[in-house]
Amino acid sequence: AQSVTQPDIHITVSEGASLELRCNYSYGATPYLFWYVQSPGQGLQLLLKYFSGDTLVQGIKGFEAEFKRSQSSFNLRKPSVHWSDAAEYFCAVTPGSQGNLIFGKGTKLSVKP
Amino acid sequence: SQTIHQWPATLVQPVGSPLSLECTVEGTSNPNLYWYRQAAGRGLQLLFYSVGIGQISSEVPQNLSASRPQDRQFILSSKKLLLSDSGFYLCAWSVLGRNTIYFGEGSWLTVV
Repeated sequence: AQSVTQPDIHITVSEGASLELRCNYSYGATPYLFWYVQSPGQGLQLLLKYFSGDTLVQGIKGFEAEFKRSQSSFNLRKPSVHWSDAAEYFCAVTPGSQGNLIFGKGTKLSVKP
Repeated sequence: SQTIHQWPATLVQPVGSPLSLECTVEGTSNPNLYWYRQAAGRGLQLLFYSVGIGQISSEVPQNLSASRPQDRQFILSSKKLLLSDSGFYLCAWSVLGRNTIYFGEGSWLTVV
């Protein structure tokens, strides 16, 4: 069965510092991969997605993610974090049959001034 | 452009009372529709999805049901709420045949 692991439950970074959120998936083939962000009390906003092609994908708000097949990973990065990036981040995969997403447990990001 | 609306945003209901959460999508036809629940500490769980009017698939047996009376309308219901039904409910949609899912703003349900 497909699964997604986000090993970090909570990360705190200083404003202006770089960020990397980890995501590992378990799936027999190459899945479709997503990162979503959720601000407190709100729905999920799509940051970026990977279906095929260039393994480094650019998203909104200055985020990027890199797909590494050998490591079954799809880590999210941002070179300089802003206070407004404080939120919860979810990695998700889908095998593509119905588009049903399987989510990781999420990583909560706190930003220190 | 496509938009998704979900209501009510917040709901406090007593145990044993009924539930109806509604979701509509605008700007697209024949979307796939989804209901997810986000309970504290448990991540996001797919409850139901629908590929067309009257076609509902349930992912998890539970106290809830879903209906799709119109192409772009998806309703989550319960006849008698349980305390364990409390959580954040998210409606979502995707284009038929595509793999990107877009979420509504969610509905907070507290069962007391």
